[in-house]
Amino acid sequence: AQSVTQLGSHVSVSEGALVLLRCNYSSSVPPYLFWYVQYPNQGLQLLLKYTTGATLVKGINGFEAEFKKSETSFHLTKPSAHMSDAAEYFCAVRNRGAQKLVFGQGTRLTINP
Amino acid sequence: EPEVTQTPSHQVTQMGQEVILRCVPISNHLYFYWYRQILGQKVEFLVSFYNNEISEKSEIFDDQFSVERPDGSNFTLKIRSTKLEDSAMYFCASSEAGVGEETQYFGPGTRLLVL
Repeated sequence: AQSVTQLGSHVSVSEGALVLLRCNYSSSVPPYLFWYVQYPNQGLQLLLKYTTGATLVKGINGFEAEFKKSETSFHLTKPSAHMSDAAEYFCAVRNRGAQKLVFGQGTRLTINP
Repeated sequence: EPEVTQTPSHQVTQMGQEVILRCVPISNHLYFYWYRQILGQKVEFLVSFYNNEISEKSEIFDDQFSVERPDGSNFTLKIRSTKLEDSAMYFCASSEAGVGEETQYFGPGTRLLVL
């Protein structure tokens, strides 16, 4: 069965530093890949997704992620962290032909001033 | 921008009671979903719903759970006899299509506490 692993339940970076949130999936057939963000008391908001084509995808708020098939990874990055980026980030995948999303455990991002 | 809404935001109930969680999906969406997140655990898929019937469900979604679209706008999750382990955040989501690259749009969640 498909599984998703997010390395690090908590990540803390300084304002202006690089943000790197890691995500690996288990299936041999590349699924559709998603990153969602959850701000306090809000729903899950889509940051970006990979379906086909270019492996580097850009999302909202300056985030981007790169699909690496050989590493079964879809890590999320942002060159320069902002205080407003503090939130919980979820990596999710959906197998082609399936309806359900399979989520990682989430990574809480803290930004230090 | 259209969004998925959920009511109530918080619900406290006694074990054995029935609860109904309500969701209003985005108006032109055809597929609806429920997920839940037990505190400290992953977000888990419960069920998907299309054309007035369940299209996919997980092992969690047993006979205690049911879903319904009672009218043209609401989508509900009913838990018939709540257990302590049903305490979780329940998220509703909707999408225009059910498979492929379609994005699922999530509501803010209902936090259910079973005492």
